[in-house]
Parts: sequence; C-alpha cells; structure tokens
Amino acid sequence: GAVVSQHPSRVICKSGTSVKIECRSLDFQATTMFWYRQFPKQSLMLMATSNEGSKATYEQGVEKDKFLINHASLTLSTLTVTSAHPEDSSFYICSAPNRGSLSYGYTFGSGTRLTVV
Amino acid sequence: TQLLEQSPQFLSIQEGENLTVYCNSSSVFSSLQWYRQEPGEGPVLLVTVVTGGEVKKLKRLTFQFGDARKDSSLHITAAQPGDTGLYLCAGDRGGTSYGKLTFGQGTILTVHP
Repeated sequence: GAVVSQHPSRVICKSGTSVKIECRSLDFQATTMFWYRQFPKQSLMLMATSNEGSKATYEQGVEKDKFLINHASLTLSTLTVTSAHPEDSSFYICSAPNRGSLSYGYTFGSGTRLTVV
Repeated sequence: TQLLEQSPQFLSIQEGENLTVYCNSSSVFSSLQWYRQEPGEGPVLLVTVVTGGEVKKLKRLTFQFGDARKDSSLHITAAQPGDTGLYLCAGDRGGTSYGKLTFGQGTILTVHP
C-alpha cells in the first residue's frame, strides 16, 4: 500500500531556532499533501495544504510566516517551524491522498514530536 | 466551519462485548473515513465510506455512512484486547476543499481481557 515517510520522528530544539520536518511519498506521487497538528489528548487539526509547484494554503489562524511549507517535488513536502517557541511544541503529522481518489482515503506519516525548550 | 462530534470519548469494556462509536455533523461530507491511531504514530486508515447509506465490513468492524452523509458509526463485535486504541472519524469536505479532513475528537477504547 501507499507509504508516507516522515522524519524526524522526534526533535528537541531551543527556543528561537528553526526546525524542518520532511514528508515523502515513497511509492506514489502526491501533488498535494496536508499538514496537521495534534496537541496531547486532542484530535488532529489541519494547518495547511501543500501544493507542488505553487504556494501552500493555510487554515484560518495559522501563521504562514511561522510555518513555512515547501512542496519542492511530487514526492516531498517540508514544514519548517521558524523561531520556535514552547507553545509550538506539538505532534506534527503529514498526509497524502491515496491514488488521488476520494474512495481511497489518505495515508499519514508517522508524525514528528516537536519539543521546544 | 464543519464540526464532527464523536462519541463516546472514552470506552472501557470487557473482552467479548460489542460497542458502537458515533460521529455526527450538521454538515454534509463528500466522504468519511475511520482511522486508528497508536500513541506516537500517525493515524492508519481503516475504511472510507462515500455513498449515503453505505455499509462496509472489515472482519469484526462494521462501518455505516448515514443516508444524508452527515453521520457515521463504527460497530465492533466481540471486542478483543488487540482492539484497544484511539479511533478517529474524519470527514472530507470534497470539492475545492478535497483532502482537508475535519477530525472528530476521538474515542479511546480499552478492552480488558
């Protein structure tokens, strides 16, 4: 089946630094990928849609200058958390549509646990 | 904003019992998915339902999509300890919002041996 590889799985960074998270579709092409954030004991919240070859679109309330998204190829999307602060600590997860059809759902990466100290 | 109300939030049952998890919304979704998520991992897709009234079975799990495509249910028969985990429903808005999933709050299921 479709596989989405996400790394790093865990990262600890100092306040004020930037962190890059990568999301790769391993055996299929994804012109669109999605980035979610999940706080402890809460559900997933969509942050932004990553579009290959064009600008990402952000959900209301998500700072585009803080969460930089680059979809450089048909298999790679990156999320960079800039000038991270402790409140940015969260579980970040990417997803891609399976075979580009509504009927096939979405494959999620294994997530990145970001801790800002 | 399309909201998806998932209930119950917590479910603790004995092995062999049956259970049902519900997801309800006032909005129509083009499709609805059910996922299972383990701690520290991303959600894993269980099923996608697309057609109103659709019923899908996956071994002991039965998924139903409401006729109006506003609600869905997950029924587990004869639950086993291996079913323990977080179950999430997610609605796809479709159209220009294709892929922008709205997740329910999740149901933490614990099945005791």
